[in-house]
Amino acid sequence: NAGVTQTPKFQVLKTGQSMTLQCAQDMNHEYMSWYRQDPGMGLRLIHYSVGAGITDQGEVPNGYNVSRSTTEDFPLRLLSAAPSQTSVYFCASRLTSGGSDEQFFGPGTRLTVL
Amino acid sequence: GDSVTQMEGPVTLSEEAFLTINCTYTATGYPSLFWYVQYPGEGLQLLLKATKADDKGSNKGFEATYRKETTSFHLEKGSVQVSDSAVYFCARGPQGGSEKLVFGKGTKLTVNP
Repeated sequence: NAGVTQTPKFQVLKTGQSMTLQCAQDMNHEYMSWYRQDPGMGLRLIHYSVGAGITDQGEVPNGYNVSRSTTEDFPLRLLSAAPSQTSVYFCASRLTSGGSDEQFFGPGTRLTVL
Repeated sequence: GDSVTQMEGPVTLSEEAFLTINCTYTATGYPSLFWYVQYPGEGLQLLLKATKADDKGSNKGFEATYRKETTSFHLEKGSVQVSDSAVYFCARGPQGGSEKLVFGKGTKLTVNP
């Protein structure tokens, strides 16, 4: 198992550009989520999904879109990047049916918006 | 409210010192509790967990006991090493119809030789 994979590892954008952060998992997990991590702020939940075709907002959804067309993939889209979106982004996944609550994290994407 | 509160850092210790990082949570039932660790430049990885009251999770010399009477899950290690330098996150498992985990803000630990 590759676990949770994220691409790219690093990205620099200019204000107003758009991009998609990729996340995939090969563990057949129903639940997937995106967090951002900023100094002194801990992890903040952006969006999450409990299964293919179902997404919902977390604490800080503004400026981000998600979709879940397959169980494996959960891309995060920045429609018009802003400097306030400079952060480290983590994708995570876990089972929701009959099993451990353990959440598995990807290695992160470090995004800088100039 | 729906929260996990852990002690503010940063924490700086000398090698072989005793470590405690406090964590308390709010819950209406008995959700699973977790400690995650984040080494520099990496994602979070599970350090230990406990799934019911009075359970003790342990791994790599770290321990935490699920205390429902005090709603706490404090992380302890008897003798820290330089390699334990990392950020530690306490988390509460999903409950009440929500599938979300709730994380504390993290505590940065630095261990000096």
